[in-house]
Amino acid sequence: EAGVVQSPRYKIIEKKQPVAFWCNPISGHNTLYWYLQNLGQGPELLIRYENEEAVDDSQLPKDRFSAERLKGVDSTLKIQPAELGDSAVYLCASSLGYWLAGDTYNEQFFGPGTRLTVL
Amino acid sequence: QKEVEQDPGPLSVPEGAIVSLNCTYSNSAFQYFMWYRQYSRKGPELLMYTYSSGNKEDGRFTAQVDKSSKYISLFIRDSQPSDSATYLCAMSGFGQNFVFGPGTRLSVLP
Repeated sequence: EAGVVQSPRYKIIEKKQPVAFWCNPISGHNTLYWYLQNLGQGPELLIRYENEEAVDDSQLPKDRFSAERLKGVDSTLKIQPAELGDSAVYLCASSLGYWLAGDTYNEQFFGPGTRLTVL
Repeated sequence: QKEVEQDPGPLSVPEGAIVSLNCTYSNSAFQYFMWYRQYSRKGPELLMYTYSSGNKEDGRFTAQVDKSSKYISLFIRDSQPSDSATYLCAMSGFGQNFVFGPGTRLSVLP
């Protein structure tokens, strides 16, 4: 079974340019997460989707970041305009449902990430 | 004080050693505790999941949770060079999102 697919794997842009990241989750996974991982830090949640609905975007900097998951499958995360401090790895993860549904633990599966460098 | 603290390492051990990795936390609402392994240029992968206090064993890995001390541990027995990676702890309260620690870099030397 294919895992979570992300593209591109690496992206180098100049500041103030726009950039977009794409994620295709594991087939059948309704829940999709975007995380930001700075160097030497753990992932931090940016946004969580249940199907096509963004149910938790409280940590997404909405002045420059946007995301969509139009058909409840793959998702795009965009930054416009990028700043130097946006250099990081952007991870996508998916799970069958919210990671904790009642007493059921739904494991999150992570993609390899997109490493963004802003010059 | 950060919500989850973890010694960043790097931690270097010889092959076959027992490795102890630890996290401390401040939020008493945390009930769910995870350990992830992250290889270089890869996403994290789940190693262990524990609910509330106690021990859990899976092969060479043992996870321990001490909620009274707000302290969790991951032990790796008979460590192998393939265990060289960054180990992230993560935790959550009911209905909350994960909070990850910064990770500990482990090198197992052949």
